[in-house]
Amino acid sequence: EDKVVQSPLSLVVHEGDTVTLNCSYEVTNFRSLLWYKQEKKAPTFLFMLTSSGIEKKSGRLSSILDKKELSSILNITATQTGDSAIYLCAVRTDSWGKLQFGAGTQVVVTP
Amino acid sequence: DGGITQSPKYLFRKEGQNVTLSCEQNLNHDAMYWYRQDPGQGLRLIYYSQIVNDFQKGDIAEGYSVSREKKESFPLTVTSAQKNPTAFYLCASSIGGKGHSNTEAFFGQGTRLTVV
Repeated sequence: EDKVVQSPLSLVVHEGDTVTLNCSYEVTNFRSLLWYKQEKKAPTFLFMLTSSGIEKKSGRLSSILDKKELSSILNITATQTGDSAIYLCAVRTDSWGKLQFGAGTQVVVTP
Repeated sequence: DGGITQSPKYLFRKEGQNVTLSCEQNLNHDAMYWYRQDPGQGLRLIYYSQIVNDFQKGDIAEGYSVSREKKESFPLTVTSAQKNPTAFYLCASSIGGKGHSNTEAFFGQGTRLTVV
């Protein structure tokens, strides 16, 4: 059975802190790993990673995939209250785009 | 504006009733998906469709049914056989197709279903 595990499940940080979120996976057929941010309703896409060791960056957010360790991390530097959200990790497991999601990490950034 | 529209945003169902959640997309995507989200459990796949007139069960299909008669539409029916239907339901779409496996999925705003 395919499995995606995120840690921690939740965390509270102060504005300006750096946050590191973890995602590990055990799947029979890995195609890519995706990160989403969910603030209230619809998850919004952040990154897609297919190659090991190549960092993707967007502003204060960055992510990297380690295929050897079957894991990925999402970093958020200089956190702001607007970063408060659930961060979802998903692994694509077939050629048609089916996604297996982790439980998500709830991040709360306090002023 | 291109996107995915789910309706209604909130839905209340009496026990024993079937209800249908709407999902429409104008992104010209082949693949569409229905996920259920419960607190602390992330998103779980209910059904997905790779092309018109075809769909497959996901991990938690029991008590649900779908149809895909048009490319733009993928409605989900929550039947009375679903024992615990109270949840947040998300519809998504992606380009799909074997030549486009590594593209992101786009999500609708969700429908919150409550059994009363």
